[in-house]
Amino acid sequence: DTGVSQDPRHKITKRGQNVTFRCDPISEHNRLYWYRQTLGQGPEFLTYFQNEAQLEKSRLLSDRFSAERPKGSFSTLEIQRTEQGDSAMYLCASSLALLAGGHNEQFFGPGTRLTVL
Amino acid sequence: GNSVTQMEGPVTLSEEAFLTINCTYTATGYPSLFWYVQYPGEGLQLLLKATKADDKGSNKGFEATYRKETTSFHLEKGSVQVSDSAVYFCALSEGGSEKLVFGKGTKLTVNP
Repeated sequence: DTGVSQDPRHKITKRGQNVTFRCDPISEHNRLYWYRQTLGQGPEFLTYFQNEAQLEKSRLLSDRFSAERPKGSFSTLEIQRTEQGDSAMYLCASSLALLAGGHNEQFFGPGTRLTVL
Repeated sequence: GNSVTQMEGPVTLSEEAFLTINCTYTATGYPSLFWYVQYPGEGLQLLLKATKADDKGSNKGFEATYRKETTSFHLEKGSVQVSDSAVYFCALSEGGSEKLVFGKGTKLTVNP
């Protein structure tokens, strides 16, 4: 198992452009999470999937952001009409939620660093 | 809402010094508590966790005890090494989603 992978690792774009990031979770992990981390801060939750269903979205996720996990495996996060404030590290994590009541470990990918000029 | 407050850094220590990084939390219910570590150039890794009051998580010489009465989960290590230099994040998981709520992180530098 190669762990959680994310692509690309770095993305530089101009304000107003659309960008899409991909996350490949650990195989057979049923939960997938997206977080955003800005400089000097801890990661902040954006959204999560249980299999292919998107079950929760943060208020941080404006309508310019959309995430999908079409077959319950990889996920994409798209940002439309990027703004400079979108510059951040976008982290993906996955977990195998088997235990009732939680406490399942999340495994993080290396992140995609977005810079909006 | 739930939140995590951790000691601000940066923290600079000499090798073999004792380390404490304070972490307190605010939560409804009974969250699980975690310490994650981010080494330079690498992704977040789980260091240790505790799932209920009085549990002690431990790994690689690091320890933290879930203290419900003081809503704390302080990270300690008796003798740090240069290789422990990293950013440490305290976090709690909440709700059925188990989404993580992180503190701001504490950068630790250990000098030889």
